Amino acid sequence: AQSVTQLDSQVPVFEEAPVELRCNYSSSVSVYLFWYVQYPNQGLQLLLKYLSGSTLVKGINGFEAEFNKSQTSFHLRKPSVHISDTAEYFCAVSEGGAGKSTFGDGTTLTVKP
Amino acid sequence: DTGVSQDPRHKITKRGQNVTFRCDPISEHNRLYWYRQTLGQGPEFLTYFQNEAQLEKSRLLSDRFSAERPKGSFSTLEIQRTEQGDSAMYLCASSSNWGRENSPDTQYFGPGTRLTVL
Repeated sequence: AQSVTQLDSQVPVFEEAPVELRCNYSSSVSVYLFWYVQYPNQGLQLLLKYLSGSTLVKGINGFEAEFNKSQTSFHLRKPSVHISDTAEYFCAVSEGGAGKSTFGDGTTLTVKP
Repeated sequence: DTGVSQDPRHKITKRGQNVTFRCDPISEHNRLYWYRQTLGQGPEFLTYFQNEAQLEKSRLLSDRFSAERPKGSFSTLEIQRTEQGDSAMYLCASSSNWGRENSPDTQYFGPGTRLTVL
């Protein structure tokens, strides 16, 4: 069975500072990894995904994530955040085939001026 | 392409009543998923369809829950005899995996239906 642990439930950060949101996963097979963002009262929007190939994945809004198989991690980073990045961020894992995803409990990113 | 839509956006009901939610996926998407999200948690998988066939149901889905996708387009999720523990956001997502059976597909999420059971 696959599972996802987001290590920080809340991350406060000042505007223009760098940020890292941490995600660890467990699975018995090869996995595919995703980061989603959810703004208040909205659905989830895909930020980026790792399927194969380069372990550094670039996504929308200046976010990137690095897949580390040995540490079973997929941390999300952004070098300089904006107020508009304030949202809930979810890490998810899929074992392919069926395509269903298992999500972490989310990290609330709050960007302060 | 207008994205995934869900109706209603909000539903308040009394315990014991039945409720039905609708999801309209992105046109021509062959897969459709239902998830449930409670406060402070990530979405939990409930069930998914490939075309009109319901291929998997989570063990979380009690027999009070039923989902259909009769023509392989829109889907409905019905909850019978609602309980206060059913209060949650119900999310629908759709995707397309034509020709890539073993590859994960990008799921596009709707805005969700927020259910409150009093």
